[in-house]
Amino acid sequence: SQQGEEDPQALSIQEGENATMNCSYKTSINNLQWYRQNSGRGLVHLILIRSNEREKHSGRLRVTLDTSKKSSSLLITASRAADTASYFCATDPGGVQGAQKLVFGQGTRLTINP
Amino acid sequence: DAGITQSPRHKVTETGTPVTLRCHQTENHRYMYWYRQDPGHGLRLIHYSYGVKDTDKGEVSDGYSVSRSKTEDFLLTLESATSSQTSVYFCAITTGNRDGYTFGSGTRLTVV
Repeated sequence: SQQGEEDPQALSIQEGENATMNCSYKTSINNLQWYRQNSGRGLVHLILIRSNEREKHSGRLRVTLDTSKKSSSLLITASRAADTASYFCATDPGGVQGAQKLVFGQGTRLTINP
Repeated sequence: DAGITQSPRHKVTETGTPVTLRCHQTENHRYMYWYRQDPGHGLRLIHYSYGVKDTDKGEVSDGYSVSRSKTEDFLLTLESATSSQTSVYFCAITTGNRDGYTFGSGTRLTVV
């Protein structure tokens, strides 16, 4: 079963605008991660936020986490054509042995129009 | 992606035949994972490994087996391929420090 539910499923904006994607999850987590996938390629890790953090920045990315609402958002500022991709949230439920059995959402397809 | 390769990149096979996909890493990471990606389902964990000869099942393990005889290689075997196993398969690695995955480029498998 999918833990992360992403919203919207698809988003189309103009270059230079900001893009916001949301992720909701159901159970407690150790951390939440965001990944990008360009068409036909593997996923690339973007940013990780731990359960005791509320906000994190990395370049043009800003991630927030609200554990009381079990939700996260990814903001991409000043979007570029190269940001066109699918974006996935993934939750790490924690657990033994250090294995990270990430549970992925279905993704948001972001299109940046020139 | 640097340090992790999957082979083959594409494969077409017939229903009922066994198929083995290979994941090879040069990062010496302890943990390795196999996921499948399907439209409408996102990525789902098939099996993972937490060391040489140490593996465990994921969410969708039926019809799949894995082996890890050395740190760098993690093999995924479809015992008898079915059309429902047509998918894109991704391998991933982690250090065990609860940081992010590094993914391979994927194997597109078609079962006809």
